[in-house]
Amino acid sequence: DAKTTQPNSMESNEEEPVHLPCNHSTISGTDYIHWYRQLPSQGPEYVIHGLTSNVNNRMASLAIAEDRKSSTLILHRATLRDAAVYYCILRPSNAGGTSYGKLTFGQGTILTVHP
Amino acid sequence: EPEVTQTPSHQVTQMGQEVILRCVPISNHLYFYWYRQILGQKVEFLVSFYNNEISEKSEIFDDQFSVERPDGSNFTLKIRSTKLEDSAMYFCASSHSPGQGEDTGELFFGEGSRLTVL
Repeated sequence: DAKTTQPNSMESNEEEPVHLPCNHSTISGTDYIHWYRQLPSQGPEYVIHGLTSNVNNRMASLAIAEDRKSSTLILHRATLRDAAVYYCILRPSNAGGTSYGKLTFGQGTILTVHP
Repeated sequence: EPEVTQTPSHQVTQMGQEVILRCVPISNHLYFYWYRQILGQKVEFLVSFYNNEISEKSEIFDDQFSVERPDGSNFTLKIRSTKLEDSAMYFCASSHSPGQGEDTGELFFGEGSRLTVL
C-alpha cells in the first residue's frame, strides 16, 4: 500500500484556519486521497476525499498538489470540536475489487485546538 | 442522519470465552467491515463483507474470528476463544458498493465496542 507521512501533532487557536499537510510521494495514478478524523472515544469519521482537483465540502477543503505527491486538509475556522486525530489515507480506486473499503490508517496528526 | 450502531458499548470477558459483537449497518449499504484499535495504536482493518461472503481479510483475522449477517439488518463479529491481546475497540463500518448511485467512497463507522479480556 502506498504510504502517507503526516506530522505527529499540530496546534491551532479557535476560529483560526488550520492546514494539515500530508505527503504521499509514492501515490499511484488511480489512488484517491481520503481524509478521516477520529474524535476522542469515537469511531473514525469521513472528512473529504479527492483525486486530482481541489475539493470543498461543508467540513473542510482539500488542496491537492499538481504532482499529487502531497495534499493539505484545510479547516477554515477551527472549533474546539475539531480537536481530533486526522488521518490521510490513500485508497485505490479499483471499483468492484476485493480491497474496496480496506483503509490503511497511519498514526495521523493529533490536532489540538486552543480556546 | 443514518448511522451505524454497535452493541455492546463495552464487554468484559474471561480469556477463552466466546464473544459476539453486533452491528446494525446503514440500511441501504451493501459493504460491511470490521476494524479494531488496540489502546494507543492504529486503527487496523480486519475484514470486509459483501454479498454474504468475506471479500478480504487481514492477517489478524485468523480462524478465531468469524463474521455473519444473520438477518437483513445485523452484522456480527464472533471471537471464538478470546485472548488477552484481543482487548481492543472494535469498529463496525458500512458503505455503498462501488459504482452504486450514491457511492462517495465514504465508510461510515460506528462508535465502537470496547472489548476487555481478563
